[in-house]
Amino acid sequence: SQQGEEDPQALSIQEGENATMNCSYKTSINNLQWYRQNSGRGLVHLILIRSNEREKHSGRLRVTLDTSKKSSSLLITASRAADTASYFCATDAFAAGNKLTFGGGTRVLVKP
Amino acid sequence: EAQVTQNPRYLITVTGKKLTVTCSQNMNHEYMSWYRQDPGLGLRQIYYSMNVEVTDKGDVPEGYKVSRKEKRNFPLILESPSPNQTSLYFCASSPQGAYQPQHFGDGTRLSIL
Repeated sequence: SQQGEEDPQALSIQEGENATMNCSYKTSINNLQWYRQNSGRGLVHLILIRSNEREKHSGRLRVTLDTSKKSSSLLITASRAADTASYFCATDAFAAGNKLTFGGGTRVLVKP
Repeated sequence: EAQVTQNPRYLITVTGKKLTVTCSQNMNHEYMSWYRQDPGLGLRQIYYSMNVEVTDKGDVPEGYKVSRKEKRNFPLILESPSPNQTSLYFCASSPQGAYQPQHFGDGTRLSIL
């Protein structure tokens, strides 16, 4: 089953603009992670936010977590062509043991 | 260099012919897992392992086997592959569990005819 659902499924923006994508999940979580996948390649970890945290930053990335709404957002500021990729959220939960559950992903195209 | 290595990267085979996809990590990680990625479905976890000789089912284990005889290796075995197992497969590892950042291999694209 998919715990996380990303929205939108696809996003097209101009270089320099901000990109925002959302992840919703169904059950209580311990942590939520965001990953990037360039076409056909392995996933690369971007950022991890714990259930007791509300916001985290890493470079041009900003992640928020709202456990009351069971949702998270990933903001990429001042996007670059190199940010073109698919972005996935992943959650782990006490109830799920040591499983990691991914959402369907958001495809981001940054046009030069 | 810290890495997760999968082999083969590409494989085309036929229904029923047993195959093994190998996965090896050089980071002394205890947690390893396998995922399959299908269009529109994201990544779905097949099996995971907390340590040597400890494996557990993920969300889509049917048709797959795994073993963890050594810490560094976590092969995925398809005893009797079928066309619905055509997919892109990823192996990943982390120091201790799902709650930590995962290091992914570059993927294995399997086509079962």
